[in-house]
Amino acid sequence: DAGVIQSPRHEVTEMGQEVTLRCKPISGHNSLFWYRQTMMRGLELLIYFNNNVPIDDSGMPEDRFSAKMPNASFSTLKIQPSEPRDSAVYFCASSFKASGKRWSDTQYFGPGTRLTVL
Amino acid sequence: TQLLEQSPQFLSIQEGENLTVYCNSSSVFSSLQWYRQEPGEGPVLLVTVVTGGEVKKLKRLTFQFGDARKDSSLHITAAQPGDTGLYLCAAETSGSRLTFGEGTQLTVNP
Repeated sequence: DAGVIQSPRHEVTEMGQEVTLRCKPISGHNSLFWYRQTMMRGLELLIYFNNNVPIDDSGMPEDRFSAKMPNASFSTLKIQPSEPRDSAVYFCASSFKASGKRWSDTQYFGPGTRLTVL
Repeated sequence: TQLLEQSPQFLSIQEGENLTVYCNSSSVFSSLQWYRQEPGEGPVLLVTVVTGGEVKKLKRLTFQFGDARKDSSLHITAAQPGDTGLYLCAAETSGSRLTFGEGTQLTVNP
């Protein structure tokens, strides 16, 4: 089975441009997560969805960031306008959240999108 | 202040040596996970520990959850170059939200 698919794998853009990152979660999973990884701050959760509904977006840096999940098989993370400090690797992960489970579900990560904003 | 403190941050050893990586917190967790990340890839789950004092083994890797469920350790016996990578601990802090430690970058030299 295919894992989590992210596109593009690499994106280089100029400050002020709009950037859209895409994610296809593993079929059957009902939770989707967007993370950002930098050397300075490590791996940070930006937002997560459960059954296509945003549950926790407290990690979204500011209004320039937005995420959508129009259906169970697709999600986007958009940055508009982009800034150099947004340069990072952005990961999408998915999991199956079983009701009543006491411990954390396994999250399956995609290969990431390396974003460079010049 | 990081919720999960990992140490050491960097570790470079020779093939065949043993090592231990630590993940500490002042908070109590219902479970804790360990991931390994290789360059250019996303993290991959190695293990989830749930019960205080629990010990889990995965070939040459031994994971332990502290009795008070505030800390965990990862011990690798006879490290191999294939063990090279970034080791991350993570804990569920609310709902399905995972908070990750800063990671330990391990390099095993042949």
